[in-house]
Amino acid sequence: DAGITQSPRYKITETGRQVTLMCHQTWSHSYMFWYRQDLGHGLRLIYYSAAADITDKGEVPDGYVVSRSKTENFPLTLESATRSQTSVYFCASRAQGAGTEAFFGQGTRLTVV
Amino acid sequence: ELKVEQNPLFLSMQEGKNYTIYCNYSTTSDRLYWYRQDPGKSLESLFVLLSNGAVKQEGRLMASLDTKARLSTLHITAAVHDLSATYFCAVGGSGTYKYIFGTGTRLKVLA
Repeated sequence: DAGITQSPRYKITETGRQVTLMCHQTWSHSYMFWYRQDLGHGLRLIYYSAAADITDKGEVPDGYVVSRSKTENFPLTLESATRSQTSVYFCASRAQGAGTEAFFGQGTRLTVV
Repeated sequence: ELKVEQNPLFLSMQEGKNYTIYCNYSTTSDRLYWYRQDPGKSLESLFVLLSNGAVKQEGRLMASLDTKARLSTLHITAAVHDLSATYFCAVGGSGTYKYIFGTGTRLKVLA
């Protein structure tokens, strides 16, 4: 299916475990983003990427790692999950060009216990 | 560092009334976006504003941009229940490809 998909949709993990959230887009968009959404904070940018092998830190990168070996995939890894990382995570992508908007995945609800 | 503030955070309004949501940002920007999010759902793009004085309208929603004041507004005309959602503005940092979101405005339209 065309579009942007995230997996899993729901995940429960234990403190200290490593967990990877997947994001895949079929449009060949150059730019990809990871946000976390928490009540009272809106969406906060974790990492973003301009192309394969080019990534940058966003507002709240600590505790997260990203990679982008292929244009269509942008996985987000929590190296050692903490309870404060319980959140809803959204992946987004957009094409190059000033007037293009980002399209968002369905989100992954992550609970760290 | 780019900061984006929205107000109000919560808005409860009667059907048929008008209201405005405000989005202020702290540094120069060349693009601003408005999104809608329904409970438990993803974000849906509403408007893209690229220049000073830009105005876009879709149904009962109208968005405008004043880059000199670093302010965008989302005006709701004659609200209906179906407009109940959370609305976010997002601002693109000048010279970068990232964008930063405001905290969102949770709108509830009462019948």
